[in-house]
Amino acid sequence: DADVTQTPRNRITKTGKRIMLECSQTKGHDRMYWYRQDPGLGLRLIYYSFDVKDINKGEISDGYSVSRQAQAKFSLSLESAIPNQTALYFCATSDSGRTNYEQYFGPGTRLTVT
Amino acid sequence: GESVGLHLPTLSVQEGDNSIINCAYSNSASDYFIWYKQESGKGPQFIIDIRSNMDKRQGQRVTVLLNKTVKHLSLQIAATQPGDSAVYFCAENANSGYSTLTFGKGTMLLVSP
Repeated sequence: DADVTQTPRNRITKTGKRIMLECSQTKGHDRMYWYRQDPGLGLRLIYYSFDVKDINKGEISDGYSVSRQAQAKFSLSLESAIPNQTALYFCATSDSGRTNYEQYFGPGTRLTVT
Repeated sequence: GESVGLHLPTLSVQEGDNSIINCAYSNSASDYFIWYKQESGKGPQFIIDIRSNMDKRQGQRVTVLLNKTVKHLSLQIAATQPGDSAVYFCAENANSGYSTLTFGKGTMLLVSP
């Protein structure tokens, strides 16, 4: 079974709709992240959470919100989707108890906003 | 290894060749660097990492070199195989003490048999 899972894997939605992407992990990690990936732009950090009560904005948080419902769950919401939010979205986790900063990624959610 | 616009730089090699993927990082204060491999339709996977107090680290068929003087990182893959075809990203920990990573734009490696 995958350690980091994302649902849905693919989603098509219309402009103005609210949409939620979900991430769950069984790694027992305390830190979780949301990234978006656009062709030629690499991965950009949207939000990150170091524990259930800690939420931080990343590089590109405008138009997004997050919720850390439990240590194992971190969801990303688009309050009112727009076409330029069409992208591949990745959730990742890391363990603050380790001495390196390796992050473990989920399989991604492909979101299309029409 | 830097991209311009929407086009990923691409490195094309023959199976069995050695591959070198380059990355220029942005922050001279970064103390940790990591390489990820992303295959089509999948999330990035860890390959190898290195701390700023080292200039070389070796793994299985991979070597990472760090040149802090010119803020340059490279990934060397020995005896490249078709299964190595993927997009490769470097990332740096530009905020010491925090586990956020800043990713480069990626390089596509194409290995032909």
